[in-house]
Amino acid sequence: NAGVMQNPRHLVRRRGQEARLRCSPMKGHSHVYWYRQLPEEGLKFMVYLQKENIIDESGMPKERFSAEFPKEGPSILRIQQVVRGDSAAYFCASSPDTNQPQHFGDGTRLSIL
Amino acid sequence: ELKVEQNPLFLSMQEGKNYTIYCNYSTTSDRLYWYRQDPGKSLESLFVLLSNGAVKQEGRLMASLDTKARLSTLHITAAVHDLSATYFCAVDNAGGTSYGKLTFGQGTILTVHP
Repeated sequence: NAGVMQNPRHLVRRRGQEARLRCSPMKGHSHVYWYRQLPEEGLKFMVYLQKENIIDESGMPKERFSAEFPKEGPSILRIQQVVRGDSAAYFCASSPDTNQPQHFGDGTRLSIL
Repeated sequence: ELKVEQNPLFLSMQEGKNYTIYCNYSTTSDRLYWYRQDPGKSLESLFVLLSNGAVKQEGRLMASLDTKARLSTLHITAAVHDLSATYFCAVDNAGGTSYGKLTFGQGTILTVHP
């Protein structure tokens, strides 16, 4: 059973470009969570999704950031018009339900030039 | 707002020694997790603690939970170099309705020296 798959592992963008981060949850997992880890800090919750629904986006910046988890395909975290402060590691996690531990992907390291 | 604080943030240990990492949290929680992260890697789940007084052990690591004190500990026994990593505690609480939104501590960077 493959783990949580994130791609790309590393992403470099110039200021003003768009970044798209993908996450395929573990098989049988319908709950997806996105977290951001700034250098030398812990992970901060961004958004929680189930298929086709955003359940909680209280950790998402109000502008430029969006997330989706369509009926078919991976979950996408989209950052428009990236700025230097968006440089971070973005982790996706999934679980089969809210009572089970979350399994984390290897993360996408986003660097903004 | 739920706050989770770990201490120490940096821990340098000699091989063979014992030490404890502390995790305090500010509001009632449904469950608490400990994770390990190696540099540049993802998070590996170590323990899930579900109730007051819960104690779990795996190898040289033992975790406990005191929900009344809002405190969890991760005890390291006879440390070895392979335990060098960053350790995070994370609390699961969303206004009392648990749905997996985790609040993480700052992390404890553990370095074990020969």
